[in-house]
Amino acid sequence: LAKTTQPISMDSYEGQEVNITCSHNNIATNDYITWYQQFPSQGPRFIIQGYKTKVTNEVASLFIPADRKSSTLSLPRVSLSDTAVYYCLVGPPGYSSASKIIFGSGTRLSIRP
Amino acid sequence: EPEVTQTPSHQVTQMGQEVILRCVPISNHLYFYWYRQILGQKVEFLVSFYNNEISEKSEIFDDQFSVERPDGSNFTLKIRSTKLEDSAMYFCASSAPRDVAYSSNTGELFFGEGSRLTVL
Repeated sequence: LAKTTQPISMDSYEGQEVNITCSHNNIATNDYITWYQQFPSQGPRFIIQGYKTKVTNEVASLFIPADRKSSTLSLPRVSLSDTAVYYCLVGPPGYSSASKIIFGSGTRLSIRP
Repeated sequence: EPEVTQTPSHQVTQMGQEVILRCVPISNHLYFYWYRQILGQKVEFLVSFYNNEISEKSEIFDDQFSVERPDGSNFTLKIRSTKLEDSAMYFCASSAPRDVAYSSNTGELFFGEGSRLTVL
């Protein structure tokens, strides 16, 4: 199982771009990188998933270098409502591998006015 | 937008009592899961369920736990004899839309709002 390391917490201000980096040195060839967001007392919510290079959706971008040993979640122009815990997960894609996908401690992002 | 719903939102029980947590997964999903999160700690995988049987389970999911899909819509987690350390938020999730090919499936988990269990 690929272990992930993220900063415990980050602070930023409204309107700024926030980049959260995750290390996953022992990522396997068939592993994907997935990010989830969790608000207090709510279930995690899928943000984005990627395998290599760059993926962008309406919420975020995910940058993955060629060696895939790390990844960076980029949130453009954050607002107060982006205050949450962000989890980087590494594992095989697909629904049948849930036990192999580990939620770590996550990064607690705090956005200030 | 379809969502996973869970009941109750909060349950308080005495140690040793049986508890059933209920979930209605997204209707066209094929895989169902239970996770738990002890206050301030990580989200932990308990069990996955597919085709009316357990697909995977973690070490946490011991004999006091069981899951069932009693009808076409509900998915339940039963804790037979609750312990103090079972106090946690329990999240149900579903995945694998029936109409999405396996190769296209990201494995995105759709979580419910959770059921908070307090064991006294």
